[in-house]
Amino acid sequence: DAGVTQSPTHLIKTRGQHVTLRCSPISGHKSVSWYQQVLGQGPQFIFQYYEKEERGRGNFPDRFSARQFPNYSSELNVNALLLGDSALYLCASSVTGTRNEQYFGPGTRLTVT
Amino acid sequence: GENVEQHPSTLSVQEGDSAVIKCTYSDSASNYFPWYKQELGKRPQLIIDIRSNVGEKKDQRIAVTLNKTAKHFSLHITETQPEDSAVYFCAASKDRNFGNEKLTFGTGTRLTIIP
Repeated sequence: DAGVTQSPTHLIKTRGQHVTLRCSPISGHKSVSWYQQVLGQGPQFIFQYYEKEERGRGNFPDRFSARQFPNYSSELNVNALLLGDSALYLCASSVTGTRNEQYFGPGTRLTVT
Repeated sequence: GENVEQHPSTLSVQEGDSAVIKCTYSDSASNYFPWYKQELGKRPQLIIDIRSNVGEKKDQRIAVTLNKTAKHFSLHITETQPEDSAVYFCAASKDRNFGNEKLTFGTGTRLTIIP
């Protein structure tokens, strides 16, 4: 039984560039949430998507956007990268609506230079 | 919005002893409180959770207690083992609430088990 998968594992980008991160939820899970985890801190909520619609947004600038596809996989896009965007980006999937256990993927380590 | 505070930030415990990590939350509407364990370089792993309709939940050596009145909840690990060494995060959210189920995390506790 596959867990949440994310790609790529690691990514190095230059300031000003954009990046796309991908996530596949656990089979049967229809909700995907994105979190940013800066070294030494707890994850910070970015977005939640359920049934292809944005259902929640955290306190992040408009440079951050996301979408969910018919197969419930998701992409997180970040434009005009800043040094401060360097972090571990985590995707979590959940059944949602009836139970809210969120299961995390291994994350994508983004380094902006 | 919700604010979750977690204490202590670091905790060292002799192997076999118990460890307790405490969290407080600010939003009285929060009703779901999971705990995650994160080993170095790995994903956060859900280890136990509790909903506001119960005061305590136990799973082998791990237990969580919730005091809704005081708005605080705690993780208890008994008979600690070296593999319990990790960073532990508490979190809070509003369960079963389409579109508002974001987890608000505490700042983490680095637990070290001393052999």
